[in-house]
Amino acid sequence: NAGVTQTPKFRVLKTGQSMTLLCAQDMNHEYMYWYRQDPGMGLRLIHYSVGEGTTAKGEVPDGYNVSRLKKQNFLLGLESAAPSQTSVYFCASISPPVNTQYFGPGTRLTVL
Amino acid sequence: RKEVEQDPGPFNVPEGATVAFNCTYSNSASQSFFWYRQDCRKEPKLLMSVYSSGNEDGRFTAQLNRASQYISLLIRDSKLSDSATYLCVASRGDRDDKIIFGKGTRLHILP
Repeated sequence: NAGVTQTPKFRVLKTGQSMTLLCAQDMNHEYMYWYRQDPGMGLRLIHYSVGEGTTAKGEVPDGYNVSRLKKQNFLLGLESAAPSQTSVYFCASISPPVNTQYFGPGTRLTVL
Repeated sequence: RKEVEQDPGPFNVPEGATVAFNCTYSNSASQSFFWYRQDCRKEPKLLMSVYSSGNEDGRFTAQLNRASQYISLLIRDSKLSDSATYLCVASRGDRDDKIIFGKGTRLHILP
């Protein structure tokens, strides 16, 4: 039981490049979330999903897209990376009605 | 007003002391409350849920004040290993709930 895993752990992109971050959970959780964390800003919700095939916008969705084609996977895409997207990205999942979130180890992304 | 607000600190506290910090939330429909702990460059991990009647887990006590819309965390007999950032969460608990985190309170336990 690996819990929540994230791929990759680190990545450096050039402005304008695209990439996809993968979040996978093996706990059969219904809901999944993508956050970004910047110094002094705390965790900010980018997008979330309450089930396979459904996604919704969070606080800071601009510049990102997501997909939840399989219940266990939640993908976060950057179509054209910008330096402002340099951050640490965390994925989390829960299984309601218990709203305790389990987090992945994070992806550290630098956009030059 | 931010949905969940915390004093960012840092709180510098000598080892063995008691420390407490609060977190205020603006949405009166919030039903579930949590404290998470985050170590430097690591993911947040659940410290404890906060129940209406208050709850205790060893040296940690969490309380909820619905009338004033805040939750609190008390740490007794603080240890060096308690140094971390503490994040609070207030959640409505429904399907469209976005589960918003506070920015966190930094705690440094001094030897």
